[in-house]
Amino acid sequence: GAVVSQHPSRVICKSGTSVKIECRSLDFQATTMFWYRQFPKQSLMLMATSNEGSKATYEQGVEKDKFLINHASLTLSTLTVTSAHPEDSSFYICSAGRQGTETQYFGPGTRLLVL
Amino acid sequence: QKEVEQDPGPLSVPEGAIVSLNCTYSNSAFQYFMWYRQYSRKGPELLMYTYSSGNKEDGRFTAQVDKSSKYISLFIRDSQPSDSATYLCACAGGYQKVTFGIGTKLQVIP
Repeated sequence: GAVVSQHPSRVICKSGTSVKIECRSLDFQATTMFWYRQFPKQSLMLMATSNEGSKATYEQGVEKDKFLINHASLTLSTLTVTSAHPEDSSFYICSAGRQGTETQYFGPGTRLLVL
Repeated sequence: QKEVEQDPGPLSVPEGAIVSLNCTYSNSAFQYFMWYRQYSRKGPELLMYTYSSGNKEDGRFTAQVDKSSKYISLFIRDSQPSDSATYLCACAGGYQKVTFGIGTKLQVIP
């Protein structure tokens, strides 16, 4: 159990366009989902925490108007990168938390390249 | 000072060797400790999950937590080339807010 899927796995877009990434917990209900960004040779950096049915909590330095997060159900969270720029190119990974534990289960990640 | 410190490596070992991976942390509130394995261009995969101090064993993997010295370890016995990956330690104090180390890149040479 504890499978998390992420779609798309890779996306290339032009500067100024918006990109939506989906994160789904396939076999459990995730009251909390997390969005991370990982640059080459760096650790995971938490961008925001989203709870089902409420607004996401963003980490310091992360623009909430640029990175729109929606957690509409217990199995789906989406991250939309609005007006993407080349510096937004990165590896975006979501994770889902199981209620009652501190364990997070990660999706396979989405590699975003903004030209 | 980072809350979780981890040597990025790379660490190269011959096949069959015992691998020792370590992290230190500074936040006394951390109660939960995890190790994740991340292959290149993939999301992290949970390997071990430990609450408080002590040892936990799962197959070839053993996780140790020493809260008195704020030191956590992962041992891999009989290492295999398929173990080549980046290993991330992670600590949490509750409310599912997890702090990750930078990850240690391990290469097991056949």
